[in-house]
Amino acid sequence: GENVEQHPSTLSVQEGDSAVIKCTYSDSASNYFPWYKQELGKGPQLIIDIRSNVGEKKDQRIAVTLNKTAKHFSLHITETQPEDSAVYFCAPGEGMNTGFQKLVFGTGTRLLVSP
Amino acid sequence: DTAVSQTPKYLVTQMGNDKSIKCEQNLGHDTMYWYKQDSKKFLKIMFSYNNKELIINETVPNRFSPKSPDKAHLNLHINSLELGDSAVYFCASSRDLSYEQYFGPGTRLTVT
Repeated sequence: GENVEQHPSTLSVQEGDSAVIKCTYSDSASNYFPWYKQELGKGPQLIIDIRSNVGEKKDQRIAVTLNKTAKHFSLHITETQPEDSAVYFCAPGEGMNTGFQKLVFGTGTRLLVSP
Repeated sequence: DTAVSQTPKYLVTQMGNDKSIKCEQNLGHDTMYWYKQDSKKFLKIMFSYNNKELIINETVPNRFSPKSPDKAHLNLHINSLELGDSAVYFCASSRDLSYEQYFGPGTRLTVT
């Protein structure tokens, strides 16, 4: 099965700084790479995703980069704001024999943005 | 107008009891899931249904039984509850297995 590692486990930054979270995975058949944000008391929410035919994707202050050869992808948040404080999960897809991808969630990164 | 809803939000019960958690989605999605998040925030898939058919069944005790009466609903029934079942259970849905998953607000189950 997919082995997923996420680093760092906690990240504290000052407002306006950038934050980078890295996710490594083991399944070479993975072709879907999402990042989820979970705020306190809520369910995870997709913030950005990328598929394996693309190396980078950007959406305003958020970007995801993918290195399929090295089997890792990263979340980049620029100009961080206090409302970015949350737990972030990577969830690379694990290839199933049906052809679909089952999400395997990483261990989470708690991001704290101080004003 | 909630996309994925779960009831109840909180559930406190004693060991040995049987309980159910209900989930409904109004997004017209074909695939629904149950996830368990433990006290360390580890989030792990338990089951997935696609068009009312069970397609993912992880290593979950037989005491857990999902039921999908239609594509919009996926309920989770738990028999003989144990202390280790205490966790937050999330329902989710997606258009298909390889697309964005929308999560419900979670049900916090506490077994005493």
